[in-house]
Amino acid sequence: GAVVSQHPSRVICKSGTSVKIECRSLDFQATTMFWYRQFPKQSLMLMATSNEGSKATYEQGVEKDKFLINHASLTLSTLTVTSAHPEDSSFYICSANSGGGANVLTFGAGSRLTVL
Amino acid sequence: AQSVTQLDSHVSVSEGTPVLLRCNYSSSYSPSLFWYVQHPNKGLQLLLKYTSAATLVKGINGFEAEFKKSETSFHLTKPSAHMSDAAEYFCVVRVGTYKYIFGTGTRLKVLA
Repeated sequence: GAVVSQHPSRVICKSGTSVKIECRSLDFQATTMFWYRQFPKQSLMLMATSNEGSKATYEQGVEKDKFLINHASLTLSTLTVTSAHPEDSSFYICSANSGGGANVLTFGAGSRLTVL
Repeated sequence: AQSVTQLDSHVSVSEGTPVLLRCNYSSSYSPSLFWYVQHPNKGLQLLLKYTSAATLVKGINGFEAEFKKSETSFHLTKPSAHMSDAAEYFCVVRVGTYKYIFGTGTRLKVLA
C-alpha cells in the first residue's frame, strides 16, 4: 500500500534555531501534501496545503514566515520551523493523497518536536 | 458548514466485549466519512471509509461503521475488543477535494 515517510520522528532543538521536517511519498507521486499539527490530547489541526512547484496555502492563523513549506518534487515536501520557541513544541504530521479513491489520505508517522 | 462531533472523549471496555465509538456529522449533502486510528506517537491509520456506496462499511482489524442518514451518525463498532485496540480514534469528514475536518478524538481504553 501507499506509504508516507516522515523524518525525523523526534527532534530536540534549542530555542531560536530552525528545524526541518521531511515528508516523502515512497511509492507514489503526490502533487499535494498536507501538514498538520497536533497538540497533546487534541485533534489534528491543518496548518497548510503544500503544492508541488508552487506556494503553499496556509490556514488562517498559521504564520507562513514561521512555518516554511517547500514542495520541490512530486515525492518530497519539507516543513521548516524557523526560530523555534518552546510553544512550537508539538507533534507534526504530514499526509498525502495516495489516489486510493475518495481522495483517501495516507499519513506519515509524525515528528515530535521539542524546543528547549 | 460540515463538521463531525465525537460524542465521547474517553471510552473504556473490557477485553472481549463490544466497542462502540460514536460520531455524528453535519453536512448539507452526502458526505465522505472516515475513521482513523492513532497509536501513541504514531501517525494515523485508515480504518475504513464511507463514500456513498454501502451504508455498512467494513474496515480493518474487525472494525465496521454504519452510515445512518436519518440520524446523521457514523458510529464505529467492533464485536470484541482486543488489548491492541487501545488507541485514539478520529472520525473525519472530507469537505473538499483534499480538505478534511477531524473530530476531537475518542481515546479507547481496553481493560484486561
